[in-house]
Amino acid sequence: GAVVSQHPSWVICKSGTSVKIECRSLDFQATTMFWYRQFPKQSLMLMATSNEGSKATYEQGVEKDKFLINHASLTLSTLTVTSAHPEDSSFYICSASRTGNFYEQYFGPGTRLTVT
Amino acid sequence: QKEVEQDPGPLSVPEGAIVSLNCTYSNSAFQYFMWYRQYSRKGPELLMYTYSSGNKEDGRFTAQVDKSSKYISLFIRDSQPSDSATYLCAMSPQRRYNQGGKLIFGQGTELSVKP
Repeated sequence: GAVVSQHPSWVICKSGTSVKIECRSLDFQATTMFWYRQFPKQSLMLMATSNEGSKATYEQGVEKDKFLINHASLTLSTLTVTSAHPEDSSFYICSASRTGNFYEQYFGPGTRLTVT
Repeated sequence: QKEVEQDPGPLSVPEGAIVSLNCTYSNSAFQYFMWYRQYSRKGPELLMYTYSSGNKEDGRFTAQVDKSSKYISLFIRDSQPSDSATYLCAMSPQRRYNQGGKLIFGQGTELSVKP
């Protein structure tokens, strides 16, 4: 149990276009979902936290208009990178928690975004 | 200074060795400590979770927290090639985001266990 999927696993897009990444909790309902960004050989940086049906809470320094997060249901959250640029190239990982407790969050496999 | 410091390695050990992975931190408010394993191009997987100080054992893995020294450790006994991965420590002052918590990750230590 506690499986989280992400789609796509890898995406290449051109500069200026938008990309949507989906995060799904497959066998549980997630009250809270988290979006992280990870650069090569670096730690995970929390971008935003979202609860179903409410607006996402963004971390300081994360542009809300650039990284749009929608937590449409208890099993689905999406991250849209708008007007992507090469510096947005990164590994994006979501996690989902049934309880909201950090030690009970389950991570997706990640999405590698490359912007050319 | 980063809130959580972790030696990135790489650390290479022979199969069967005892592995010691460590993190230091500066925020004395941290109470919840976690260790994650991350294989290449995959999401992290929770290995161990500890609240406050003390030891916790699960199979070949032992987690230790020394709050007085602001130092946490993960020990892997009888290491196997399948343990080769990046190990990340993470910690938070609260258990939930909506309680004022925020999970801070270390950089991760890359471990390679050679057959």
